[in-house]
Amino acid sequence: LAKTTQPISMDSYEGQEVNITCSHNNIATNDYITWYQQFPSQGPRFIIQGYKTKVTNEVASLFIPADRKSSTLSLPRVSLSDTAVYYCLVGVNTDKLIFGTGTRLQVFP
Amino acid sequence: GAVVSQHPSRVICKSGTSVKIECRSLDFQATTMFWYRQFPKQSLMLMATSNEGSKATYEQGVEKDKFLINHASLTLSTLTVTSAHPEDSSFYICSASGTTKNIQYFGAGTRLSVL
Repeated sequence: LAKTTQPISMDSYEGQEVNITCSHNNIATNDYITWYQQFPSQGPRFIIQGYKTKVTNEVASLFIPADRKSSTLSLPRVSLSDTAVYYCLVGVNTDKLIFGTGTRLQVFP
Repeated sequence: GAVVSQHPSRVICKSGTSVKIECRSLDFQATTMFWYRQFPKQSLMLMATSNEGSKATYEQGVEKDKFLINHASLTLSTLTVTSAHPEDSSFYICSASGTTKNIQYFGAGTRLSVL
């Protein structure tokens, strides 16, 4: 099982772009990289998933270098409602996912 | 997107009673479901993996007789906390994965408070 490492916390201001990097040096060939967002007392919510290069959806972008040993979640123009914990996970959907500490993002007005 | 429904969202019970939590995949068939628990300010901790029609696989340190898991259909898994005690108070979350997308979808969680 791939282990992930993320910054424990990050601060930002409204309107700024936030980039959260995750290291996963032992990622396996079949593993996907998935990011989740969690608000207090709620289950994690899927944000974005990728395998390689760049993926973009309506809420975020995910950058994955060629060696896939890291990934960066990019949140454009954050708002106060983006204050949450963000988890980076690697694996396949039928395998158990081991959550790391996540990154606690605090957005200030 | 896929929806996972978890019920109840909150339960308060007396010590010694059993509590059942349901996890349903509403618009897809979940071949595998997972159960997590989360303490305040901490990350999710995987408790067990549940596959339809077979026994659950528990993580090390999780008592299988304490936390009974049943995955009787492709859309329903249940977690029963037997003879609950105050130390079982926690936030329990389920997730489900299907066959069409490589994504696990999570329920909203169940806050269990044992008095």
